[in-house]
Amino acid sequence: EADIYQTPRYLVIGTGKKITLECSQTMGHDKMYWYQQDPGMELHLIHYSYGVNSTEKGDLSSESTVSRIRTEHFPLTLESARPSHTSQYLCASSELVGSPGGYTFGSGTRLTVV
Amino acid sequence: EDQVTQSPEALRLQEGESSSLNCSYTVSGLRGLFWYRQDPGKGPEFLFTLYSAGEEKEKERLKATLTKKESFLHITAPKPEDSATYLCAVPGGNMLTFGGGTRLMVKP
Repeated sequence: EADIYQTPRYLVIGTGKKITLECSQTMGHDKMYWYQQDPGMELHLIHYSYGVNSTEKGDLSSESTVSRIRTEHFPLTLESARPSHTSQYLCASSELVGSPGGYTFGSGTRLTVV
Repeated sequence: EDQVTQSPEALRLQEGESSSLNCSYTVSGLRGLFWYRQDPGKGPEFLFTLYSAGEEKEKERLKATLTKKESFLHITAPKPEDSATYLCAVPGGNMLTFGGGTRLMVKP
């Protein structure tokens, strides 16, 4: 059973609004990741963290920001949402990258900016 | 640079028609190969981890195998509920490198 939770599950919001997508895990994993995925398309890494107070940008340029103040919590924030931000956002966590099971993924947040 | 390539991009099968999905990888020092299943609108769900050439893992109608250059996900007598996107990934540095996935559709 996955122990990583994303809220909200779905979000429709107007252009220019500030939003925060929540991601929490109860497994004590140090490593956490945010991916962006359009329907039927590849996963694109946008942010990652190796532990508290550690955050890095991923391969895909993103206007979002992240923070990692607590091990279990890795929120993603968009200061001013735009229609181009419409996508699915997936959060994942892992212990050691090569450990059995690899990443554990959340169920995702489907964001629509109108 | 680590690379993972999956083929085919999409595969349509009739129920009961067995087939295989391919995952080719280029990585310096393999530290595992992971297979995931992803249903539309959901996060990927872990299926298998393989660590060494010759290793095989099975789960219901799925069997994953590994060589030094590629992995196969064999699907035996698939059912419509096996329809999903199947992703493979390898560790590179401190994160997984994912392939583009194979979208499998099984028709009754």
